[in-house]
Amino acid sequence: DVKVTQSSRYLVKRTGEKVFLECVQDMDHENMFWYRQDPGLGLRLIYFSYDVKMKEKGDIPEGYSVSREKKERFSLILESASTNQTSMYLCASSQQKPYEQYFGPGTRLTVT
Amino acid sequence: AQKVTQAQTEISVVEKEDVTLDCVYETRDTTYYLFWYKQPPSGELVFLIRRNSFDEQNEISGRYSWNFQKSTSSFNFTITASQVVDSAVYFCALSEAGGGSNYKLTFGKGTLLTVNP
Repeated sequence: DVKVTQSSRYLVKRTGEKVFLECVQDMDHENMFWYRQDPGLGLRLIYFSYDVKMKEKGDIPEGYSVSREKKERFSLILESASTNQTSMYLCASSQQKPYEQYFGPGTRLTVT
Repeated sequence: AQKVTQAQTEISVVEKEDVTLDCVYETRDTTYYLFWYKQPPSGELVFLIRRNSFDEQNEISGRYSWNFQKSTSSFNFTITASQVVDSAVYFCALSEAGGGSNYKLTFGKGTLLTVNP
């Protein structure tokens, strides 16, 4: 069975903190993605990676960075969390071709 | 640029009714892929189906069916005899097959389906 796991389901952080969201997939997928989901805005792509150590900006990369040191792990980093980064964060992975993406359970991040 | 429109923000039906969720897409590519995902209240997006632009054959899987029409750029999803467990947000998505690393999905805003007992 396909599996994508995220380090936390719920997270509360303070403004200015550095936040790490971790995502691990066990399907040997080349591509990994980070989205945020907000009411009325749908899913928006933050960053994606098509290979180890490779990354590309998505539609809303400002305020975020990513790291992919191993194929199975893709981390999203909020260098200095702000309240407007309160959101649901979803990680996904897929095979190299434009195959379907498989999603993790999501992390609901609240920045106070 | 690619775009996916799900005009129905919310739909409410009574159990056992049939319901169709609309999806209209825009793309300049001749090769592309269309997807449907389900997001139940638990939050995790579940993949339902993938269709490529060369295959216009409709598909049926149990109570689910999909109607792909290139002439109208639509990829509609029908649930027959709806059940309470079908209550979820449903997303339509598009991926262009332009090559390279750019296999991003563009999602519609989603349709919230509520099936009442």
